Amino acid sequence: TQLLEQSPQFLSIQEGENLTVYCNSSSVFSSLQWYRQEPGEGPVLLVTVVTGGEVKKLKRLTFQFGDARKDSSLHITAAQPGDTGLYLCAGAWDTGNQFYFGTGTSLTVIP
Amino acid sequence: DAGVIQSPRHEVTEMGQEVTLRCKPISGHDYLFWYRQTMMRGLELLIYFNNNVPIDDSGMPEDRFSAKMPNASFSTLKIQPSEPRDSAVYFCASGFMGYEQYFGPGTRLTVT
Repeated sequence: TQLLEQSPQFLSIQEGENLTVYCNSSSVFSSLQWYRQEPGEGPVLLVTVVTGGEVKKLKRLTFQFGDARKDSSLHITAAQPGDTGLYLCAGAWDTGNQFYFGTGTSLTVIP
Repeated sequence: DAGVIQSPRHEVTEMGQEVTLRCKPISGHDYLFWYRQTMMRGLELLIYFNNNVPIDDSGMPEDRFSAKMPNASFSTLKIQPSEPRDSAVYFCASGFMGYEQYFGPGTRLTVT
């Protein structure tokens, strides 16, 4: 059973374009994280959101946690080739416990 | 800090053989997680420890899999006997208070 669904599964865009990827669930999460994974490496934590409606920005990346804490989005402005990678969302039901990972969105930014 | 260290980085073995994967977490972290990643199933949590004690091993697929954490600086994941369907990338991650996870580079396991 996949608790977190991410869309789109694959995304290929030109450098300079904007994009949004989504993470959806039927469950309410106490917190949600976004990771980026590059080929041959482990996932790297980008951000953690805990409050419904929370918005966090990390340079050109904007993360939003849904009001009901069941969904989240990641928006990238003016994508660059260095943004290429697998983006994973992960949700936790209880603070300090395990996170369940989504299916991932594979992003390719073409120079 | 060197980050989470995993060894070996690559392992190729024949079906039926025992495989041992090793992990050294970041010093001071009290949580340790073992994950498996495949194209079909994505990133799956196998087991996690808190202060060296296994908390939840419900993700361990079969009795062929076992994990230990004898001290705060070392953990192993063992598969005995290995099968071709165990082929995957295995990640170890550590964290403080279980809130953030820092992943190692992974071990790519191929069972022929």
